[in-house]
Amino acid sequence: SQQGEEDPQALSIQEGENATMNCSYKTSINNLQWYRQNSGRGLVHLILIRSNEREKHSGRLRVTLDTSKKSSSLLITASRAADTASYFCATGETGANNLFFGTGTRLTVIP
Amino acid sequence: GAGVSQSPSNKVTEKGKDVELRCDPISGHTALYWYRQSLGQGLEFLIYFQGNSAPDKSGLPSDRFSAERTGGSVSTLTIQRTQQEDSAVYLCASSLLGRDMMAQYFGPGTRLLVL
Repeated sequence: SQQGEEDPQALSIQEGENATMNCSYKTSINNLQWYRQNSGRGLVHLILIRSNEREKHSGRLRVTLDTSKKSSSLLITASRAADTASYFCATGETGANNLFFGTGTRLTVIP
Repeated sequence: GAGVSQSPSNKVTEKGKDVELRCDPISGHTALYWYRQSLGQGLEFLIYFQGNSAPDKSGLPSDRFSAERTGGSVSTLTIQRTQQEDSAVYLCASSLLGRDMMAQYFGPGTRLLVL
């Protein structure tokens, strides 16, 4: 079963704008990860944030985690057309062997 | 180094036939995962291998699904007597260690279509 839910399901912005995607989850986690998927194929790991961290940066990516609200956000700054993809959050639960993926946000960046 | 590879890229089969999907993980990665993704959906966990430990098969949807990992490296996912609802993209991932603190590296997937 899926753990996370992304919001919005789809997002369309102009190139240069910032894109914010949110993820909510239900149970206790050890970490939360964000992945990107192009054209329904393999996923690419973007960033991992541990449950004791509140914010993490990687290039144009900023991830926040609020364990009290069981939510995370992914911010992509200064978006580019090449950022067009689906973005998934995935949670790592204590004792679980696998990640639990959300349904994803489809981001379209218009040149 | 080389990433995770999967073969075939695409597979079209007739209902009732058996299919085998292959995954070559990143060299040195001890953990290997199989997921399934239906159109427009998130990933559904199928099975997990970690070293020589017994695999976690808790995500396999039916006894028609099985998987092996030989020599701690290559894995094969077998679907027997395929059904139309088995149509999906099957994704394999590996990670350095089988713990939930590790990033997973995904292959390009096998797109399976059951007619």
